[in-house]
Amino acid sequence: QVQLVESGGGVVQPGRSLRLSCAASGFTFSTYDMHWVRQAPGKGLEWVAVIWYDGSNKYYADSVKGRFTISRDNSKNTLYLQMNSLRAEDTAVYYCAICGVSEDSWGQGTVVTVSS
Amino acid sequence: DIQMTQSPSSLSASVGDRVTITCRASQGIRNDLGWYQQKPGKAPKRLIYAASSLQSGVPSRFSGSGSGTEFTLTIRSLQPEDFATYYCLQHNSYPWTFGQGTKVEIK
Repeated sequence: QVQLVESGGGVVQPGRSLRLSCAASGFTFSTYDMHWVRQAPGKGLEWVAVIWYDGSNKYYADSVKGRFTISRDNSKNTLYLQMNSLRAEDTAVYYCAICGVSEDSWGQGTVVTVSS
Repeated sequence: DIQMTQSPSSLSASVGDRVTITCRASQGIRNDLGWYQQKPGKAPKRLIYAASSLQSGVPSRFSGSGSGTEFTLTIRSLQPEDFATYYCLQHNSYPWTFGQGTKVEIK
């Protein structure tokens, strides 16, 4: 079955960088668009970014555009989120997800805390 | 960007009640909308896709309707396991956007 496992979260100071990873298994990773979605403590869900199945297109939420970069390595079945210039408001649980018509699966999330 | 306005933000209901949650899009999104359920500490789970199609494995007491700008999630007879927070998500155009969420609490 589909499995998505995020890693790379932690505590980081404002202005610093962090890279999240999402290891995928149980499906043909290279045929699915992949998303990052986040949820700040006690808040609602916020869509962050998408990368198309072949990496040809990427789209971002306005709140992270220019600071975050989504990428993927289809040979390693892994999705990434490079987060630069982190701010306190980036503190959240970050989920990787497939949100397709035929398939919708989410990882368990990884916690990112931006604090001095 | 498309804004999704979800209402109510919270509601109290009893087991067996019929519950309705609404999402309104700031512009037409055809039927490019999904409904998600989230329980505390857990990842969201999709209940409805394409506005009205029931996700595999989801109980038939959940249903969705609407097209264009007005969408509704209905829970026909609320069960104890349905107390959770519900979100709509538009995927008509990027950036995708969620509604603010509706917390369904026990009366």
